[in-house]
Amino acid sequence: DAGVTQSPTHLIKTRGQQVTLRCSPKSGHDTVSWYQQALGQGPQFIFQYYEEEERQRGNFPDRFSGHQYPNYSSELNVNALLLGDSALYLCASSPGTGVTPQHFGDGTRLSIL
Amino acid sequence: QQQVKQSPQSLIVQKGGISIINCAYENTAFDYFPWYQQFPGKGPALLIAIRPDVSEKKEGRFTISFNKSAKQFSLHIMDSQPGDSATYFCAASILGDYKLSFGAGTTVTVRA
Repeated sequence: DAGVTQSPTHLIKTRGQQVTLRCSPKSGHDTVSWYQQALGQGPQFIFQYYEEEERQRGNFPDRFSGHQYPNYSSELNVNALLLGDSALYLCASSPGTGVTPQHFGDGTRLSIL
Repeated sequence: QQQVKQSPQSLIVQKGGISIINCAYENTAFDYFPWYQQFPGKGPALLIAIRPDVSEKKEGRFTISFNKSAKQFSLHIMDSQPGDSATYFCAASILGDYKLSFGAGTTVTVRA
């Protein structure tokens, strides 16, 4: 049973570019959350998707957007990249509603030059 | 602002010793407190979690102690092993809410 899978593993971009990160949730999970983990810090909640809609959003600018597909997979898009966007981006999935995300993927390491 | 404050930032313990990590929170609406373990290059993995109606929860060598009046909770790792060397994060959320608020993490090093 595959867990949460994220792609790509690593990514290097330059300032001003746009990036798309992808996540496939654990089998049976229909809710996907995205977190940003800066080096040496705890993960920070970006947003959560359920039934293809953004259900809750953390304190992140509109440059961060997402999408969820009918198969529950999700994308995180970041526009106009800044140096401060360099971080590990984590996807977490959970089954149903009202359940705290517990299953994290190994993340995408995004480096901005 | 950080809703969960975690200490210490790092600790070193000898094999067989006890590791203790402390967390404090302000939001009294929090009612779910998980701990995550993260190895380098990996995502966080749920270790153990507690609700505030319980003062202590034990799973194997890992124990959470919870003090609701002080708004503090802690993780104790008994009989620490080199394989326990990792970064540990406390977190909090409102059950039914979807956002986890994480502490800044504690890097634990277990010396053989």
